[in-house]
Amino acid sequence: QQPVQSPQAVILREGEDAVINCSSSKALYSVHWYRQKHGEAPVFLMILLKGGEQKGHDKISASFNEKKQQSSLYLTASQLSYSGTYFCGTELSGGYQKVTFGIGTKLQVIP
Amino acid sequence: EPEVTQTPSHQVTQMGQEVILRCVPISNHLYFYWYRQILGQKVEFLVSFYNNEISEKSEIFDDQFSVERPDGSNFTLKIRSTKLEDSAMYFCATTILAGAGELFFGEGSRLTVL
Repeated sequence: QQPVQSPQAVILREGEDAVINCSSSKALYSVHWYRQKHGEAPVFLMILLKGGEQKGHDKISASFNEKKQQSSLYLTASQLSYSGTYFCGTELSGGYQKVTFGIGTKLQVIP
Repeated sequence: EPEVTQTPSHQVTQMGQEVILRCVPISNHLYFYWYRQILGQKVEFLVSFYNNEISEKSEIFDDQFSVERPDGSNFTLKIRSTKLEDSAMYFCATTILAGAGELFFGEGSRLTVL
């Protein structure tokens, strides 16, 4: 049930773009995206509920392809503050009440 | 801004001892969760709690673990007899609407079992 994330790690220079992918083998009700900085709690970025839904938050946006059970997080014009580990979390269809997180993608933005 | 509060922030205990971790959820939230994160690893689901009972639990959440909301405010995680492998950061998270709502995480309780 754990979603699969890729890549596991990425290094960017400031201003570069990145895409983080998340996929599930089971039908999804929702996809969450969180960022965790070292030694801190995960912080919510966005949630996608409908197939094909895209959401944006500043220069960070995400899409959800319901047919493929895939979501992607897009970080554009990256800033140093984007550094951290990004987790996708999925909730399965069928009334389950838990969000299961992927292994995380460690993103480092360098000057 | 409302926040989830966890205590203690760090606890060191001897193997075999009982530990209770406490969480004060955001006041109008209905769904409560415990997650754990072993250093450098992913955030693992332990248990979800709604309407004063467990909704879901993982394989990790065995008979050594229990949760309760004894006084209507604190949401507690008890580990009856700690093992070395229980050493981790334990996060409480709450949401107003399961599945469709943002999870608000507390700052975490770091448990070290010696």
